[in-house]
Amino acid sequence: DAKTTQPNSMESNEEEPVHLPCNHSTISGTDYIHWYRQLPSQGPEYVIHGLTSNVNNRMASLAIAEDRKSSTLILHRATLRDAAVYYCILVGGSNYKLTFGKGTLLTVNP
Amino acid sequence: DAGVTQSPTHLIKTRGQQVTLRCSPKSGHDTVSWYQQALGQGPQFIFQYYEEEERQRGNFPDRFSGHQFPNYSSELNVNALLLGDSALYLCASSFPGTGNEQFFGPGTRLTVL
Repeated sequence: DAKTTQPNSMESNEEEPVHLPCNHSTISGTDYIHWYRQLPSQGPEYVIHGLTSNVNNRMASLAIAEDRKSSTLILHRATLRDAAVYYCILVGGSNYKLTFGKGTLLTVNP
Repeated sequence: DAGVTQSPTHLIKTRGQQVTLRCSPKSGHDTVSWYQQALGQGPQFIFQYYEEEERQRGNFPDRFSGHQFPNYSSELNVNALLLGDSALYLCASSFPGTGNEQFFGPGTRLTVL
């Protein structure tokens, strides 16, 4: 499985933008970049995914580097509810599973 | 529209016993995956069911088995429980395809004493 590298933790202030980085230098051409988050005492929640182009949805934006070896999840205005562990996961080919690493623990200060 | 539901919410068993966990997928989804999440760790993939067949399996022993029913609901069975099987068991449903997101249930907390 292609591996991703994320910082262990990040901190943000409420209502400020947050940029969560992810490195995936061994990504293959057919791998999608998925982001999930897990709030305390809940199951993981899908956030966004993309292949090559930047993507936006109601929750976040995903910026993908031109060489696809890194990506950044952007929360435009962090709220206290965004405090969670964020996972960057590569999914592709005949691999249907999600391989979770340790993720980034995001703390949002009021 | 109901999301993914799992039962029971919590379960306590003793070593050597067997357990069955249940999952109903989100409406319209036909693929179910199971994950194990130990305390402080990310979820680990157990297996995925599609068209009532196990399509992919993670690195888990044969004590872990599953089933998918014609209505797409699924069961996870664990035999000969070990203390190390204590974890949160998560079910996720999706449409098939690598680009599609998985929707997770709230999980079943299994404690093995």
